[in-house]
Amino acid sequence: QTVVTQEPSFSVSPGGTVTLTCGLSSGSVSTSYYPSWYQQTPGQAPRTLIYSTNTRSSGVPDRFSGSILGKKAALTITGAQADDECDYYCVLYMGSGIWVFGGGTKLTVL
Amino acid sequence: EVQLLESGGGSINPGGSLRLSCVASGLTFRNAWMIWVRQAPGKGLEWVGLIRSKADGGTTDYGAPVKGRFTISRDDSKNTLYLQMDSLKTEDTAVYYCTHVHPPWYFDPWGRGTLVTVSS
Repeated sequence: QTVVTQEPSFSVSPGGTVTLTCGLSSGSVSTSYYPSWYQQTPGQAPRTLIYSTNTRSSGVPDRFSGSILGKKAALTITGAQADDECDYYCVLYMGSGIWVFGGGTKLTVL
Repeated sequence: EVQLLESGGGSINPGGSLRLSCVASGLTFRNAWMIWVRQAPGKGLEWVGLIRSKADGGTTDYGAPVKGRFTISRDDSKNTLYLQMDSLKTEDTAVYYCTHVHPPWYFDPWGRGTLVTVSS
């Protein structure tokens, strides 16, 4: 069974830059997996940040960007702010109407 | 503005059944592909299953943990998505979200979710 991997946790200083990644237990992530990224604060529904690898959802500031870095999809946050502290999830499309979420990354801004 | 509102959650004994609903507004629902996603307490998001529009066959796909126990359906006349959950297990305890699938393949918006608790 395919596992989508994310760093369980990450820390960044206020104003700093952080790159979260989204990989596969076997193989490389490419644009064909249409990686998308979601932000979730505790008790709230997820919010769409990035889709189709690098397209920002409406209203998402350009501090958030998506890319493919090596064998993984990546979400980069520049100029980190206190309210960026929350959970981030990637999801990959496996084809045939099936998606798999990564386990999520808990981002701390301190 | 597209809005999704889930309902039907609650407490249920293991082995029981429950049906969740998701009412959509601001969306041409009959053309929409819809999915259910769940989140167990303190855990990550998990894709539950998909239903395609009737124009695209109205077919469904499910994640392995729920396949054979859960059924997704839709009533386009009511702009409503359903999740029939049978043979519930304690590990099905989660907040269940519905969301709209956009081609190429992302989810937006998300409902606020409804909590299902399976416990004896």
